[in-house]
Amino acid sequence: EPEVTQTPSHQVTQMGQEVILRCVPISNHLYFYWYRQILGQKVEFLVSFYNNEISEKSEIFDDQFSVERPDGSNFTLKIRSTKLEDSAMYFCASRAPYRDGNTEAFFGQGTRLTVV
Amino acid sequence: SQQGEEDPQALSIQEGENATMNCSYKTSINNLQWYRQNSGRGLVHLILIRSNEREKHSGRLRVTLDTSKKSSSLLITASRAADTASYFCATALYGNKLVFGAGTILRVKS
Repeated sequence: EPEVTQTPSHQVTQMGQEVILRCVPISNHLYFYWYRQILGQKVEFLVSFYNNEISEKSEIFDDQFSVERPDGSNFTLKIRSTKLEDSAMYFCASRAPYRDGNTEAFFGQGTRLTVV
Repeated sequence: SQQGEEDPQALSIQEGENATMNCSYKTSINNLQWYRQNSGRGLVHLILIRSNEREKHSGRLRVTLDTSKKSSSLLITASRAADTASYFCATALYGNKLVFGAGTILRVKS
C-alpha cells in the first residue's frame, strides 16, 4: 500500500543550525502539507503546497521556514535557524487530486526534531 | 476556543466495551475526519464524513455528524487492547488544511 515516508525519523540539532526535513509523498498526490505537534499538544497546520507553490501558511510558518519540491518526488521543510521552541514532531501529509474536496490526507510517521 | 475540540480528554474502558468520543467545532466545514495516533507515531486516517452525511460506518467504527450542533461523535464498538491510542477529529473546508482538535486518549484495558 502506498505511504508517505519521512526522513530522518529523529534529528537532534544545535540551536541556530539549519535543518531540512524530508518527505516523499504518495506518487499520484498533488496536495502536500506540513504539520507539527509539540509534545502533548495538538497537531498544528504549518503550510500547504500545490502546483509548486505555497497555497496557505499559518502564522507559525514565518521567514525561518521554507518548503520546496526540488524534484518530482521529494517535499522538504527547511528551518533556517532553529530555536528551542521548534522542538516538535513534524508530519508531512499528502492528498489525492481534488474531487469534491472530500479526500483524506495521508500522513507520514513523522520526524522528531530536538533542538538543544 | 479552538476548532475541533474533543471530549473526553481521556477515556479508560475494559476490553469489549464501547468507546464514544465527541468533537465540537466552530466554523463551516466541508468534511470532518477522524485520525488515530499511537504513542509517538504518525496519524492514521480512520474515516471521513462529508457535511451532507449524518452517519457513516467502517468496520467497528461509527461516526455521526450534526452540522446544526457543529458536533461529531466516534463510536468504537467491542474495543480491543490494540485500540489504545489518541483519537483526533479534524475539520476541512473545501479540501484545504485540516484543523485538529486536542484529541482523546483512549486506554483499553485487557
